[in-house]
Amino acid sequence: RKEVEQDPGPFNVPEGATVAFNCTYSNSASQSFFWYRQDCRKEPKLLMSVYSSGNEDGRFTAQLNRASQYISLLIRDSKLSDSATYLCVVNINNAGNMLTFGGGTRLMVKP
Amino acid sequence: EAGVTQFPSHSVIEKGQTVTLRCDPISGHDNLYWYRRVMGKEIKFLLHFVKESKQDESGMPNNRFLAERTGGTYSTLKVQPAELEDSGVYFCASSQDSRELGEQYFGPGTRLTVT
Repeated sequence: RKEVEQDPGPFNVPEGATVAFNCTYSNSASQSFFWYRQDCRKEPKLLMSVYSSGNEDGRFTAQLNRASQYISLLIRDSKLSDSATYLCVVNINNAGNMLTFGGGTRLMVKP
Repeated sequence: EAGVTQFPSHSVIEKGQTVTLRCDPISGHDNLYWYRRVMGKEIKFLLHFVKESKQDESGMPNNRFLAERTGGTYSTLKVQPAELEDSGVYFCASSQDSRELGEQYFGPGTRLTVT
């Protein structure tokens, strides 16, 4: 079983749609949680951290459910520029700062 | 402010040859990480430097891989001898403070192809 699991997609949605991605992680001792965005043949870039209380940044909302070991990302009013791969990332190592990545969910926003 | 830079952007070598990848972190970042993504797989951690010291090298696949960060500035990752399964994209990342868990800034990667 992978440490961080995501539906690879692709999710094909029209502009303006709301789309949600989910992610599960296997290590209950995981400390920190993030969503990274990766454009084709580019490096991953931090989109947002995920907090237990849930957090919002503009059109993006992230939620964490520690009991279910589940993380979500909601994108409202999708833009063409949101097309990318969204990586669920977990910091599992308490002593260090190693990031563990999911395989990514590909989003394609169509006009 | 310049971001993380990596050199070369692409490298094509034959099996058995040696390749050295370089990473220049963001100025002032003590923490430097190497990751790689092989075809069809997720990005995997290789190792973590704090200044010139290896903090965690649990992800290094085998002793054909050698990472150094002399002087605590730029880092090199040498693969010797390269094997076909080493092909992939090698990312470097840096962060200022390891307490800021996850706030790692990635370089553009080096795409390595071993033929």
